[in-house]
Amino acid sequence: GENVEQHPSTLSVQEGDSAVIKCTYSDSASNYFPWYKQELGKRPQLIIDIRSNVGEKKDQRIAVTLNKTAKHFSLHITETQPEDSAVYFCAAVLSNSNSGYALNFGKGTSLLVTP
Amino acid sequence: DAGVTQSPTHLIKTRGQQVTLRCSPKSGHDTVSWYQQALGQGPQFIFQYYEEEERQRGNFPDRFSGHQFPNYSSELNVNALLLGDSALYLCASRTYNEQFFGPGTRLTVL
Repeated sequence: GENVEQHPSTLSVQEGDSAVIKCTYSDSASNYFPWYKQELGKRPQLIIDIRSNVGEKKDQRIAVTLNKTAKHFSLHITETQPEDSAVYFCAAVLSNSNSGYALNFGKGTSLLVTP
Repeated sequence: DAGVTQSPTHLIKTRGQQVTLRCSPKSGHDTVSWYQQALGQGPQFIFQYYEEEERQRGNFPDRFSGHQFPNYSSELNVNALLLGDSALYLCASRTYNEQFFGPGTRLTVL
């Protein structure tokens, strides 16, 4: 099955700096890669996703890049703010009607943005 | 639209007992998945229901079972509870690829 590894496990940055979180996956057939943000005691919330036919996607201060050959994808947050502090999870899945849509999550990165 | 809802919010059980958790999907969603999130870990896929049938299952024992009703809501049942079953249980409903999570049920097994 799919195995997703995520690094680093903790990340501390100063407000205004950039943060980068990296994930690798094992199943080359995986074709959908979402990122979730989970604040303490709350549900995971989808913040951005990318499909395997796209190399990069950007939404305001957040961007995701995908390297299919190397089987890794990354989350980039620019101009970080204290409210970006949370645990971020990457996930990978082979998404089609036959295989289902079970998300395989990384172990998470705890991001702390200090003012 | 209330989004994905789950009940109860918190639950305390003792070892050996059975528990039932409930989930109502987001309006318009027909597929429901259940995940277990242990403290400090990422969510782990339990199983997925579509058209009232279990379509996909993760690496969880048969003590974990589920059901989906005609209105797409779902239940997760866990029998013979173990201390290690203590976790946040998340329900997610899906449209296309995007999965939206409910607030979860925090289960504590004593």
